[in-house]
This record gives sequence, structure tokens and C-alpha cells, in this order.
Amino acid sequence: AQTVTQSQPEMSVQEAETVTLSCTYDTSESDYYLFWYKQPPSRQMILVIRQEAYKQQNATENRFSVNFQKAAKSFSLKISDSQLGDAAMYFCAYRSAGGNEKLTFGTGTRLTIIP
Amino acid sequence: GAVVSQHPSWVICKSGTSVKIECRSLDFQATTMFWYRQFPKQSLMLMATSNEGSKATYEQGVEKDKFLINHASLTLSTLTVTSAHPEDSSFYICSGKGSGHLNTEAFFGQGTRLTVV
Repeated sequence: AQTVTQSQPEMSVQEAETVTLSCTYDTSESDYYLFWYKQPPSRQMILVIRQEAYKQQNATENRFSVNFQKAAKSFSLKISDSQLGDAAMYFCAYRSAGGNEKLTFGTGTRLTIIP
Repeated sequence: GAVVSQHPSWVICKSGTSVKIECRSLDFQATTMFWYRQFPKQSLMLMATSNEGSKATYEQGVEKDKFLINHASLTLSTLTVTSAHPEDSSFYICSGKGSGHLNTEAFFGQGTRLTVV
């Protein structure tokens, strides 16, 4: 079974600065997807960024980028120019590309933005 | 992205009663619906996976007779918590997955906060 580990329960960053959230995972599969989701106080799950394992290029979405290290099974999220609206719980998630398509979530990292 | 509408957003019920939560995919056909439970300050735990027209597959430890899931159409899935008790109080979230280009991402509902008194 796949597992996802987020070792940082809480992180804080000064507004306009850069922060990196860590995520590692364990799998024996070669083809899969990795996601970062944001859950603000409203508790709506919002997709931040997605990475296909077969792609070597790191995904980027505006101020959000990932550092995907497949051999190390690491998938960190970098948030640049942090904004107050970035404050939320961030969950790393894994999904098989094959028949079992459920998402396996990490325990989450609570990000606080300091004005 | 595609939209999943979940209702109600919050509900309070008496112990022993049943509560139904609905998730509708508004602009796509959700061939698969996932139901999650989230306790305060914890992650999402998958309860069950349902494919349209089929019986749901429950995760280990989830009582299928207590958490009834119906996915009778490609746009509607329901979760019924039967004979609810205070320990069932939690945040329940659904997510739907479509086919084709909508297959690689799951679209989440807004969640339902259930309080059993």
C-alpha cells in the first residue's frame, strides 16, 4: 500500500517570502500522479498543482511549483511571494495511474502567513 | 474545472436518526465518486468508492450498513448515515471523477459538517 508523509505539521512564512512544504511517499508503482491540495478555513479542497510521475519536468502554476524527485520519492511544494490568502492546510496526495484510483493523503501542513 | 455540489453544508440531527448527504456533479458525469471523512485537524480518510450503477467498495473498518452509499446516476451520489450517534459527528466530503480528460483529477464537494446530538 502507498503511504504519504508530511513531516511538517505547521509552517509559517513572512508575507512576500518563499516557503517550501515537504512531502515524501512510498510506492512500488512506476506510474502515478501526485497532487498538492489546499484546504482553507472554508474546508473546500482546492487543487493547487499536479505532477505526472512520467514527466521529468517539474510542474508550475503561477507562484506554486514543485520539486519532484522520483528516485528519492520526494514531492515538495514551493510557494513564492506568499500572500495572506495562501494561509491554509496543505495536503500532499498520491494516486495510482492504474485501476486503483483513490487518493491517499498525507497528514497535512498548516501554513500561516505572517503579515 | 468541473463542479461537484454537496448538500447540506451542515446538519444537526438527533441520535438515532438518519441523515442523507447528496453530491451532484453539475457539469460532468461522475463515473466514480469517493466519500471521505475528516476529523478536526486531521487528514481525509477514504470511506468508500462507488462506481455508477455498482455497489460501493468500502475501506476496511467502515461499516457498510451504517454508511449507505448510492450512486444510481452519473450525476448523483448519496451517503446516508443511518442511526447516527455522536461519534459519527464529523466532516464528510465527496469527490467525483469523470472519464477522458476528467479522469486524472478528482473534483471535491464543499463538504458537510454533521453534528449528532
